[in-house]
Amino acid sequence: GAGVSQSPRYKVTKRGQDVALRCDPISGHVSLYWYRQALGQGPEFLTYFNYEAQQDKSGLPNDRFSAERPEGSISTLTIQRTEQRDSAMYRCASSPPGREQYFGPGTRLTVT
Amino acid sequence: KQEVTQIPAALSVPEGENLVLNCSFTDSAIYNLQWFRQDPGKGLTSLLLIQSSQREQTSGRLNASLDKSSGRSTLYIAASQPGDSATYLCAVGASNNAGNMLTFGGGTRLMVKP
Repeated sequence: GAGVSQSPRYKVTKRGQDVALRCDPISGHVSLYWYRQALGQGPEFLTYFNYEAQQDKSGLPNDRFSAERPEGSISTLTIQRTEQRDSAMYRCASSPPGREQYFGPGTRLTVT
Repeated sequence: KQEVTQIPAALSVPEGENLVLNCSFTDSAIYNLQWFRQDPGKGLTSLLLIQSSQREQTSGRLNASLDKSSGRSTLYIAASQPGDSATYLCAVGASNNAGNMLTFGGGTRLMVKP
């Protein structure tokens, strides 16, 4: 079946612009996670949802970052007023509750 | 705060060798532990998931063990092949509101030479 998909795969934006990153999880997966990965490092947790409820957003770096999953399926991670330090690979994963997480291909964000 | 460390950071071996990748974590109150493979410029591929009540999991040439009390996991790769060359990531899961946030190590970059 189809895996986790993310769009866009690559995004180049200018400092100060807002960006929206999309994640389409595996059908039926209750849990959806967002991570951020810097080059040469492991991913870092940002936030996660069970169905449409955001359960934990402790990993979001600051209030410029927000996420939603209004219908319990597709999720959007939004970064407002982007800064160069936001440049990274943003990864989404989905899973049944407490089970193995399956990752999407990621969105490479570059802020110039 | 959970911290995950992977040793070595990089490893180069000749084809056919058996090898062990190490992962250590500071908080033993984990929910599960997952090993991933990451190829350059690609996504993460799940290899094995070990629940906190389990001691090991096996898939083909891969065997992962878990010792919660000592805060360690190992990934054993038998008869390594050039196609095994990749970065291997260990991730420790913490249970929260029926979710499972993963804390990742920095990875071990493996090169298997023909």
